[in-house]
Amino acid sequence: SAVISQKPSRDICQRGTSLTIQCQVDSQVTMMFWYRQQPGQSLTLIATANQGSEATYESGFVIDKFPISRPNLTFSTLTVSNLSPEDSSIYLCSVVLGGRNTEAFFGQGTRLTVV
Amino acid sequence: LAKTTQPISMDSYEGQEVNITCSHNNIATNDYITWYQQFPSQGPRFIIQGYKTKVTNEVASLFIPADRKSSTLSLPRVSLSDTAVYYCLALSGTYKYIFGTGTRLKVLA
Repeated sequence: SAVISQKPSRDICQRGTSLTIQCQVDSQVTMMFWYRQQPGQSLTLIATANQGSEATYESGFVIDKFPISRPNLTFSTLTVSNLSPEDSSIYLCSVVLGGRNTEAFFGQGTRLTVV
Repeated sequence: LAKTTQPISMDSYEGQEVNITCSHNNIATNDYITWYQQFPSQGPRFIIQGYKTKVTNEVASLFIPADRKSSTLSLPRVSLSDTAVYYCLALSGTYKYIFGTGTRLKVLA
């Protein structure tokens, strides 16, 4: 299994600023994913952040708005840039150990409110 | 990636068995069916995964017919603490989990 810690757990930010969310995993994992969950909605995949390669973004998400760093096998950051109220959501980090273990493990999420 | 369709919401009473059906008509040969549970203010949590026929673990059973175009998650004797959103996903070899709308289950006393 994998235990994921996300920081901060919540934040309130002014529009036009940026928020960087940290994701720390208790074991080395290759596959890491970032999701957004808007209030009352399902999860939407933002990007895949595998170590050793550039992040791969899903349709509707761009690097300028959601830059991602993946410096090693246990850590990643997601920055939400130039914040607007529409960015108010929960952002979740997820990892998959891979191989025969296909289970995805999720962090508790970061609740962002933009005012 | 296969699209999944499930009921938006369901109500049940404590002690009853709950069956949530998911449709995945265009599932690929290599896709596995996976179910997740999400409580408010928490990330999703793995429940069960299967490829075909029946899989059972300590919390649920998963039934997948031979054509694999649908699957049914069965929760035996639900309690109030089973109130959550349940997601059905088709997992491909890329390990990318694409979430559908989910089923909001409400267990009543």
